[in-house]
Amino acid sequence: GENVEQHPSTLSVQEGDSAVIKCTYSDSASNYFPWYKQELGKRPQLIIDIRSNVGEKKDQRIAVTLNKTAKHFSLHITETQPEDSAVYFCAASRVEEYGNKLVFGAGTILRVKS
Amino acid sequence: NAGVTQTPKFRVLKTGQSMTLLCAQDMNHEYMYWYRQDPGMGLRLIHYSVGEGTTAKGEVPDGYNVSRLKKQNFLLGLESAAPSQTSVYFCASSSRGVVLSGEQFFGPGTRLTVL
Repeated sequence: GENVEQHPSTLSVQEGDSAVIKCTYSDSASNYFPWYKQELGKRPQLIIDIRSNVGEKKDQRIAVTLNKTAKHFSLHITETQPEDSAVYFCAASRVEEYGNKLVFGAGTILRVKS
Repeated sequence: NAGVTQTPKFRVLKTGQSMTLLCAQDMNHEYMYWYRQDPGMGLRLIHYSVGEGTTAKGEVPDGYNVSRLKKQNFLLGLESAAPSQTSVYFCASSSRGVVLSGEQFFGPGTRLTVL
């Protein structure tokens, strides 16, 4: 089955700096790679996702890159702000006819220091 | 539009007790999922459903049962709770869509403690 590894487990950056979180996956058939943000005590919320037919996707300060050959994908946050502090999870799955079984990484605690 | 809701929000059980967690969604989604979240381990899929009356096992199904009698509801049952089932449980749903959509929408979670 799919296995997703996420690094680093914690990341501290100064406000305004960039943050990069990396994930690797094992199943070459995976075709959907979302990133979720979870604030303390809250539910995970999708911040960006990418399909396997796309190499990069950007949404304002957030971008995701995908390298299918190497089976890794990364989240890039530029101009970080204190409200970016949260736990970030990557995930991978095969979106198919019968469901979308996400396999999550262990998470990265991002702290943005002001 | 409430999205995905879960009841209860918190529960404390004694070892061996049983309980049912209820998930409801009002987005007419075909797919529903139950995850558990433990510190340092991310979210792990327990069971999922691709439609009314159908369920399937995820990564960590042992000790849990599920039912989906109505499209909008997905129930997670613990028949004989164990301390290892202490966790935060999240329900999620997603749409099949015209083009298969991957986004899952999560409920607020249920914090379960088994003593």
